[in-house]
Amino acid sequence: GQQLNQSPQSMFIQEGEDVSMNCTSSSIFNTWLWYKQDPGEGPVLLIALYKAGELTSNGRLTAQFGITRKDSFLNISASIPSDVGIYFCAGDDYNQGGKLIFGQGTELSVKP
Amino acid sequence: EAGVAQSPRYKIIEKRQSVAFWCNPISGHATLYWYQQILGQGPKLLIQFQNNGVVDDSQLPKDRFSAERLKGVDSTLKIQPAKLEDSAVYLCASSRLMGVYGYTFGSGTRLTVV
Repeated sequence: GQQLNQSPQSMFIQEGEDVSMNCTSSSIFNTWLWYKQDPGEGPVLLIALYKAGELTSNGRLTAQFGITRKDSFLNISASIPSDVGIYFCAGDDYNQGGKLIFGQGTELSVKP
Repeated sequence: EAGVAQSPRYKIIEKRQSVAFWCNPISGHATLYWYQQILGQGPKLLIQFQNNGVVDDSQLPKDRFSAERLKGVDSTLKIQPAKLEDSAVYLCASSRLMGVYGYTFGSGTRLTVV
């Protein structure tokens, strides 16, 4: 079945640093999504990407939909302590009608 | 707009017992999803409903898991009998239509099977 490879698995950074994480897939997706999950909560949507090559920002977050439609990255600039959490990429195959395939997650720790 | 409601938040049961989870989606959302999230992994879809019909249950272990969405609103997910490997967070999500627009997750039910 379809799989997403997300890296890195974990990151330990200093407050104020920039962060980058990415996802790759063996198959094409029509939509890429980036979620953040806090302990004891469900994933919350950060950014949605709908077109190959699309670059979208949401505050300090920037994400891009790869040209090949098989990859995406998420950047966080000037990290702050509340950025701590697990970040997931997810892909949606239009033909699956809303079934999301998730990566394994990147656990981010920010040291004040 | 109220979010996706799930209950209970936590459940501890012994193996071979049965358990049920409840989900109330956002009002007006026709599509409802149940995901299983094992510790350290991303969520994995178990079953997808469109109104009260099943769209995709290919990943649902049907020998022990069942789900229903009567009247196309609330949904319940049941496990009978539970196994140790069923320990996970069970997330419910809903969207207005089939697709990612307005896709919202609930806070989940954390199940521990001992």
